[in-house]
Amino acid sequence: NAGVTQTPKFQVLKTGQSMTLQCAQDMNHNSMYWYRQDPGMGLRLIYYSASEGTTDKGEVPNGYNVSRLNKREFSLRLESAAPSQTSVYFCASSRDRDYEQYFGPGTRLTVT
Amino acid sequence: GESVGLHLPTLSVQEGDNSIINCAYSNSASDYFIWYKQESGKGPQFIIDIRSNMDKRQGQRVTVLLNKTVKHLSLQIAATQPGDSAVYFCAENRGYSTLTFGKGTMLLVSP
Repeated sequence: NAGVTQTPKFQVLKTGQSMTLQCAQDMNHNSMYWYRQDPGMGLRLIYYSASEGTTDKGEVPNGYNVSRLNKREFSLRLESAAPSQTSVYFCASSRDRDYEQYFGPGTRLTVT
Repeated sequence: GESVGLHLPTLSVQEGDNSIINCAYSNSASDYFIWYKQESGKGPQFIIDIRSNMDKRQGQRVTVLLNKTVKHLSLQIAATQPGDSAVYFCAENRGYSTLTFGKGTMLLVSP
């Protein structure tokens, strides 16, 4: 039981490049989330998917898109990376929206 | 505005002491609270949760206390160990919504 897995672990992009961060969970959870974490700040919600087939914006959605591919997988796409998107990105999942969330190990993204 | 915050950004304790990490919340509609631990370079790890119909909940070496009157949440760690050194976040859930996280407090445990 791997829990929540994320790929890649590290990524360096040039401004304007695109990439997709992958996330998968094997806990049969309904809800999945993408957060970013910046130094000295807490976790900020980018997008979430309450259930398969639905996605909603969180606190900081600009510059990102998401896809809930199936119940297990939830991807985050940066269409045109900007230096302001340099951050650590965490994926999480939960049984439902009002239950505890389980986090992946994170992706450390640097945009130059 | 509505927020979840922490009183102390850094807490330093000696090994074996009990630690108390505090958190204030401002939304009286919040009905679910969680504490997470984040070690350097890792994702947040669930520690313990409590719903608003409870005042106290105990886990293994950890206790969460909820005071709804003053909108205060605390995490108590008994017999703190060096392995407890990490950043601790509280988070609140306002109804059937998404979690809002505080900025975190760092716990440093000296041997």
